[in-house]
Amino acid sequence: ETGVTQSPTHLIKTRGQQVTLRCSSQSGHNTVSWYQQALGQGPQFIFQYYREEENGRGNFPPRFSGLQFPNYSSELNVNALELDDSALYLCASSWGIDTGELFFGEGSRLTVL
Amino acid sequence: QKEVEQNSGPLSVPEGAIASLNCTYSDRGSQSFFWYRQYSGKSPELIMSIYSNGDKEDGRFTAQLNKASQYVSLLIRDSQPSDSATYLCAVNVGGSARQLTFGSGTQLTVLP
Repeated sequence: ETGVTQSPTHLIKTRGQQVTLRCSSQSGHNTVSWYQQALGQGPQFIFQYYREEENGRGNFPPRFSGLQFPNYSSELNVNALELDDSALYLCASSWGIDTGELFFGEGSRLTVL
Repeated sequence: QKEVEQNSGPLSVPEGAIASLNCTYSDRGSQSFFWYRQYSGKSPELIMSIYSNGDKEDGRFTAQLNKASQYVSLLIRDSQPSDSATYLCAVNVGGSARQLTFGSGTQLTVLP
């Protein structure tokens, strides 16, 4: 069984740039959720993707967007990066949309300078 | 008021003792409750889920839920140094488990 994999693991961007983070879901899982975790805080829900559609969104502006592909992998895109976007971005996969039993990847650590 | 509150700690217990971690939540409609463990520099890992009032035991871990008091706790019996981690309480929002709200976590240190 393949776990959730994310890439890149670390990246540094400057304010105003755009970033794309990638996630491959665990084998057999059809739903992907993205969370942002600032240092010393719990993860904060960004959005969920199911059947290639956004299926719920947290309190994040439209410059945070995503995609899900037919193989259930997913991308998180952030435009016009701000300093406060510096965080660990976690992808979590699950079987079905209405479960909180999530399997997290190791995350992508984004630093915005 | 935060939606999910936890004591940030740090909480230190000696090896072999019982560690008690507490969490309160504000949404009375919440139905699903989870405890995740996060080692330093790693991602969260699900250790317990609980959906009904009362206790749920899994090995050395017991989750307790009291919906009337809007309170959920995690007990770790026979604590081991390998239990040293941050424990995150997570609660569903608005009756659906698709969106979890996490607390800020309690940092637990088990002293040998």
